Amino acid sequence: ETGVTQTPRHLVMGMTNKKSLKCEQHLGHNAMYWYKQSAKKPLELMFVYSLEERVENNSVPSRFSPECPNSSHLFLHLHTLQPEDSALYLCASSQDQGLNEKLFFGSGTQLSVL
Amino acid sequence: QKEVEQNSGPLSVPEGAIASLNCTYSDRGSQSFFWYRQYSGKSPELIMFIYSNGDKEDGRFTAQLNKASQYVSLLIRDSQPSDSATYLCAVYSARQLTFGSGTQLTVLP
Repeated sequence: ETGVTQTPRHLVMGMTNKKSLKCEQHLGHNAMYWYKQSAKKPLELMFVYSLEERVENNSVPSRFSPECPNSSHLFLHLHTLQPEDSALYLCASSQDQGLNEKLFFGSGTQLSVL
Repeated sequence: QKEVEQNSGPLSVPEGAIASLNCTYSDRGSQSFFWYRQYSGKSPELIMFIYSNGDKEDGRFTAQLNKASQYVSLLIRDSQPSDSATYLCAVYSARQLTFGSGTQLTVLP
């Protein structure tokens, strides 16, 4: 495996379900990110982890809970979501943060909340 | 509130023409600038980055930065149908990377 891999590719869940998104990066990068992409809206940063420490939590509702057990793996735990949470969720990694923050994205999870 | 603005398009150009994509940003202290390409149903892919005023060329792509006017452009020379995608501008300032909504480009054969 190379690059950034995300599973699952598609997810349909009810508002009472609990599910998790998984991301793994094989690039040896130091930072990992969760982004949300909704139709016709800019990419929204949700969480940033640098060397396994959360450095950014962009006012995301508590029904989204990230976990970063090591520098290669990132999870997004979902519970009691709302229909407006339906979107493409993208994981990304970068070698550096800051001026040189070049992101490598995974293929994304298309989430539908019913 | 830092803003990054792009025309949503769609922008249509004939094959072989130059496609010009523009991006303006609100924070005068912005320090680095990125262009991502996103094919339909795929994730964004970094294609260009620029830090200093002026032009930066990479193959058929040229990024242009004008900090005084607060805009950054992406030129695609000899456009091909395979360049049809949404192009996202991203600007780094004050410890945050902000994306624009993207410009949809269609290159007509």
